[in-house]
Amino acid sequence: ILNVEQSPQSLHVQEGDSTNFTCSFPSSNFYALHWYRWETAKSPEALFVMTLNGDEKKKGRISATLNTKEGYSYLYIKGSQPEDSATYLCAFPNSGGGADGLTFGKGTHLIIQP
Amino acid sequence: EAQVTQNPRYLITVTGKKLTVTCSQNMNHEYMSWYRQDPGLGLRQIYYSMNVEVTDKGDVPEGYKVSRKEKRNFPLILESPSPNQTSLYFCASSLSGKWGYTFGSGTRLTVV
Repeated sequence: ILNVEQSPQSLHVQEGDSTNFTCSFPSSNFYALHWYRWETAKSPEALFVMTLNGDEKKKGRISATLNTKEGYSYLYIKGSQPEDSATYLCAFPNSGGGADGLTFGKGTHLIIQP
Repeated sequence: EAQVTQNPRYLITVTGKKLTVTCSQNMNHEYMSWYRQDPGLGLRQIYYSMNVEVTDKGDVPEGYKVSRKEKRNFPLILESPSPNQTSLYFCASSLSGKWGYTFGSGTRLTVV
Protein backbone atom coordinates (compact mmCIF):
# COMPACT_ATOMS: atom_id res chain seq x y z
CA ILE A 1 0.00 0.00 0.00
CA LEU A 2 1.42 3.36 -1.05
CA ASN A 3 1.99 6.04 1.57
CA VAL A 4 0.32 9.31 0.58
CA GLU A 5 0.16 11.84 3.38
CA GLN A 6 -1.47 15.23 3.60
CA SER A 7 -1.03 18.01 6.13
CA PRO A 8 -2.58 19.64 7.91
CA GLN A 9 -5.64 17.48 8.48
CA SER A 10 -7.82 20.58 8.85
CA LEU A 11 -7.37 24.28 8.42
CA HIS A 12 -9.42 27.33 9.37
CA VAL A 13 -8.67 30.42 7.29
CA GLN A 14 -10.15 33.90 7.33
CA GLU A 15 -11.87 35.02 4.16
CA GLY A 16 -9.42 36.92 2.00
CA ASP A 17 -6.34 35.24 3.41
CA SER A 18 -4.13 32.99 1.33
CA THR A 19 -3.26 29.47 2.41
CA ASN A 20 -1.42 26.36 1.36
CA PHE A 21 -1.18 22.71 2.29
CA THR A 22 1.02 19.75 1.50
CA CYS A 23 0.89 16.31 -0.04
CA SER A 24 3.82 13.92 0.28
CA PHE A 25 4.14 10.78 -1.84
CA PRO A 26 6.69 8.13 -2.82
CA SER A 27 9.46 9.79 -4.81
CA SER A 28 10.49 6.60 -6.61
CA ASN A 29 8.74 5.46 -9.80
CA PHE A 30 6.84 8.72 -10.12
CA TYR A 31 4.15 8.85 -12.80
CA ALA A 32 1.63 11.50 -11.82
CA LEU A 33 0.12 13.28 -8.85
CA HIS A 34 -3.59 14.15 -8.71
CA TRP A 35 -5.38 16.86 -6.74
CA TYR A 36 -9.15 16.71 -6.11
CA ARG A 37 -11.58 19.07 -4.49
CA TRP A 38 -14.43 17.51 -2.51
CA GLU A 39 -17.29 19.69 -1.35
CA THR A 40 -19.69 18.48 1.31
CA ALA A 41 -22.55 16.36 -0.07
CA LYS A 42 -20.91 16.22 -3.49
CA SER A 43 -18.36 13.94 -5.10
CA PRO A 44 -14.64 14.60 -5.59
CA GLU A 45 -13.74 16.62 -8.69
CA ALA A 46 -10.34 16.64 -10.36
CA LEU A 47 -8.41 19.89 -10.00
CA PHE A 48 -5.02 19.03 -11.41
CA VAL A 49 -3.00 16.11 -12.68
CA MET A 50 0.69 16.92 -12.45
CA THR A 51 3.34 14.93 -14.21
CA LEU A 52 6.56 16.95 -14.51
CA ASN A 53 9.02 17.85 -11.77
CA GLY A 54 8.87 21.58 -11.16
CA ASP A 55 5.49 21.83 -12.84
CA GLU A 56 3.06 24.48 -11.68
CA LYS A 57 -0.63 24.40 -12.56
CA LYS A 58 -3.23 27.06 -11.98
CA LYS A 59 -7.01 27.25 -12.02
CA GLY A 60 -8.35 30.63 -10.98
CA ARG A 61 -7.10 31.37 -7.47
CA ILE A 62 -5.89 27.81 -6.91
CA SER A 63 -2.45 26.65 -7.96
CA ALA A 64 -0.25 23.64 -7.31
CA THR A 65 3.46 22.89 -7.51
CA LEU A 66 5.27 19.60 -7.77
CA ASN A 67 8.65 18.30 -6.57
CA THR A 68 9.04 14.71 -7.69
CA LYS A 69 12.62 14.33 -6.46
CA GLU A 70 11.68 14.94 -2.84
CA GLY A 71 8.12 13.63 -3.14
CA TYR A 72 5.87 16.55 -2.30
CA SER A 73 3.30 18.86 -3.83
CA TYR A 74 1.81 22.10 -2.50
CA LEU A 75 -1.66 23.40 -3.15
CA TYR A 76 -2.10 27.16 -2.80
CA ILE A 77 -5.30 29.16 -2.55
CA LYS A 78 -4.98 32.91 -2.97
CA GLY A 79 -7.52 35.22 -1.38
CA SER A 80 -9.73 32.48 0.10
CA GLN A 81 -13.47 32.74 -0.42
CA PRO A 82 -16.27 30.88 1.40
CA GLU A 83 -16.84 28.74 -1.70
CA ASP A 84 -13.31 27.38 -1.30
CA SER A 85 -14.45 25.48 1.80
CA ALA A 86 -13.99 21.82 0.93
CA THR A 87 -11.75 18.83 1.52
CA TYR A 88 -8.75 18.78 -0.79
CA LEU A 89 -7.42 15.35 -1.66
CA CYS A 90 -4.20 14.34 -3.32
CA ALA A 91 -3.79 10.94 -4.94
CA PHE A 92 -1.00 8.85 -6.40
CA PRO A 93 -1.52 6.26 -9.16
CA ASN A 94 -1.13 2.71 -7.89
CA SER A 95 1.06 1.73 -10.81
CA GLY A 96 2.91 3.50 -13.57
CA GLY A 97 -0.09 3.99 -15.74
CA GLY A 98 -2.73 4.55 -13.08
CA ALA A 99 -4.84 1.83 -14.66
CA ASP A 100 -5.30 0.19 -11.28
CA GLY A 101 -6.68 3.32 -9.69
CA LEU A 102 -5.33 5.76 -7.13
CA THR A 103 -4.20 5.78 -3.52
CA PHE A 104 -5.61 8.84 -1.78
CA GLY A 105 -4.33 10.86 1.11
CA LYS A 106 -6.80 11.49 3.93
CA GLY A 107 -7.30 15.05 2.79
CA THR A 108 -7.03 18.58 4.15
CA HIS A 109 -10.38 19.91 5.35
CA LEU A 110 -10.42 23.63 4.63
CA ILE A 111 -12.92 25.93 6.32
CA ILE A 112 -13.09 29.56 5.24
CA GLN A 113 -14.45 31.81 7.96
CA PRO A 114 -16.23 35.01 6.84
CA GLU B 1 -23.27 15.22 -20.51
CA ALA B 2 -20.17 13.21 -19.63
CA GLN B 3 -20.78 11.52 -16.32
CA VAL B 4 -20.56 8.54 -14.03
CA THR B 5 -23.99 7.45 -12.84
CA GLN B 6 -24.33 5.53 -9.60
CA ASN B 7 -27.49 4.05 -8.17
CA PRO B 8 -28.95 4.10 -5.64
CA ARG B 9 -27.88 7.30 -3.85
CA TYR B 10 -29.08 5.98 -0.51
CA LEU B 11 -29.77 2.44 0.66
CA ILE B 12 -30.66 0.94 4.01
CA THR B 13 -30.61 -2.84 4.07
CA VAL B 14 -30.44 -5.74 6.48
CA THR B 15 -27.53 -8.02 7.20
CA GLY B 16 -27.21 -10.83 4.70
CA LYS B 17 -29.52 -9.47 1.99
CA LYS B 18 -27.64 -9.41 -1.30
CA LEU B 19 -27.44 -6.04 -3.04
CA THR B 20 -25.90 -4.45 -6.10
CA VAL B 21 -24.77 -0.87 -6.53
CA THR B 22 -24.71 0.04 -10.19
CA CYS B 23 -22.16 2.25 -11.90
CA SER B 24 -22.26 3.38 -15.52
CA GLN B 25 -20.07 5.82 -17.44
CA ASN B 26 -20.70 7.34 -20.86
CA MET B 27 -17.16 8.52 -21.63
CA ASN B 28 -15.74 5.29 -23.08
CA HIS B 29 -13.25 5.11 -20.20
CA GLU B 30 -11.24 1.93 -19.81
CA TYR B 31 -10.26 2.39 -16.17
CA MET B 32 -12.86 2.09 -13.44
CA SER B 33 -12.58 1.76 -9.67
CA TRP B 34 -14.72 1.44 -6.57
CA TYR B 35 -13.83 3.24 -3.35
CA ARG B 36 -15.32 3.45 0.10
CA GLN B 37 -15.06 6.45 2.38
CA ASP B 38 -15.05 6.03 6.14
CA PRO B 39 -14.41 8.74 8.74
CA GLY B 40 -10.72 9.05 9.56
CA LEU B 41 -9.71 6.48 6.94
CA GLY B 42 -10.00 8.40 3.69
CA LEU B 43 -10.95 6.91 0.35
CA ARG B 44 -9.90 3.27 0.11
CA GLN B 45 -9.99 1.26 -3.08
CA ILE B 46 -12.18 -1.86 -3.14
CA TYR B 47 -11.79 -3.17 -6.69
CA TYR B 48 -10.61 -1.83 -10.00
CA SER B 49 -10.95 -2.72 -13.67
CA MET B 50 -8.53 -1.95 -16.48
CA ASN B 51 -10.88 -3.07 -19.25
CA VAL B 52 -13.72 -5.41 -20.09
CA GLU B 53 -13.35 -8.71 -18.24
CA VAL B 54 -10.22 -7.43 -16.43
CA THR B 55 -10.80 -6.81 -12.72
CA ASP B 56 -8.64 -7.06 -9.64
CA LYS B 57 -8.69 -6.46 -5.90
CA GLY B 58 -7.84 -3.14 -4.32
CA ASP B 59 -6.92 -2.56 -0.69
CA VAL B 60 -10.20 -3.62 0.95
CA PRO B 61 -11.91 -6.23 -1.29
CA GLU B 62 -13.28 -8.58 1.40
CA GLY B 63 -17.04 -8.99 1.17
CA TYR B 64 -17.34 -7.46 -2.29
CA LYS B 65 -17.51 -8.68 -5.87
CA VAL B 66 -17.45 -6.81 -9.17
CA SER B 67 -17.92 -7.58 -12.83
CA ARG B 68 -17.04 -5.77 -16.05
CA LYS B 69 -18.98 -7.39 -18.87
CA GLU B 70 -19.34 -4.16 -20.82
CA LYS B 71 -17.03 -1.18 -20.94
CA ARG B 72 -19.57 1.26 -19.55
CA ASN B 73 -20.80 -0.74 -16.53
CA PHE B 74 -18.99 -1.75 -13.37
CA PRO B 75 -21.43 -2.95 -10.68
CA LEU B 76 -20.42 -3.54 -7.06
CA ILE B 77 -22.01 -6.61 -5.50
CA LEU B 78 -22.36 -7.31 -1.80
CA GLU B 79 -23.36 -10.98 -1.56
CA SER B 80 -24.00 -10.94 2.19
CA PRO B 81 -23.73 -7.41 3.56
CA SER B 82 -22.61 -6.89 7.14
CA PRO B 83 -22.78 -3.79 9.36
CA ASN B 84 -19.05 -3.11 8.84
CA GLN B 85 -19.86 -2.41 5.19
CA THR B 86 -21.89 0.61 6.20
CA SER B 87 -20.09 3.35 4.33
CA LEU B 88 -20.14 5.92 1.53
CA TYR B 89 -19.23 4.31 -1.79
CA PHE B 90 -17.89 5.97 -4.93
CA CYS B 91 -17.41 4.66 -8.42
CA ALA B 92 -14.85 6.47 -10.59
CA SER B 93 -13.57 6.19 -14.14
CA SER B 94 -10.70 7.55 -16.19
CA LEU B 95 -9.28 7.51 -19.69
CA SER B 96 -5.69 7.15 -18.45
CA GLY B 97 -3.48 7.69 -15.42
CA LYS B 98 -2.55 11.13 -16.68
CA TRP B 99 -6.17 12.21 -16.69
CA GLY B 100 -8.20 12.83 -13.60
CA TYR B 101 -10.78 10.33 -12.49
CA THR B 102 -14.46 11.27 -12.79
CA PHE B 103 -16.49 10.26 -9.77
CA GLY B 104 -20.07 9.19 -9.46
CA SER B 105 -22.39 10.94 -7.04
CA GLY B 106 -21.87 8.36 -4.31
CA THR B 107 -23.99 5.74 -2.56
CA ARG B 108 -24.63 6.02 1.15
CA LEU B 109 -25.14 2.43 2.35
CA THR B 110 -26.36 1.47 5.81
CA VAL B 111 -26.45 -2.18 6.82
CA VAL B 112 -28.45 -2.93 9.97
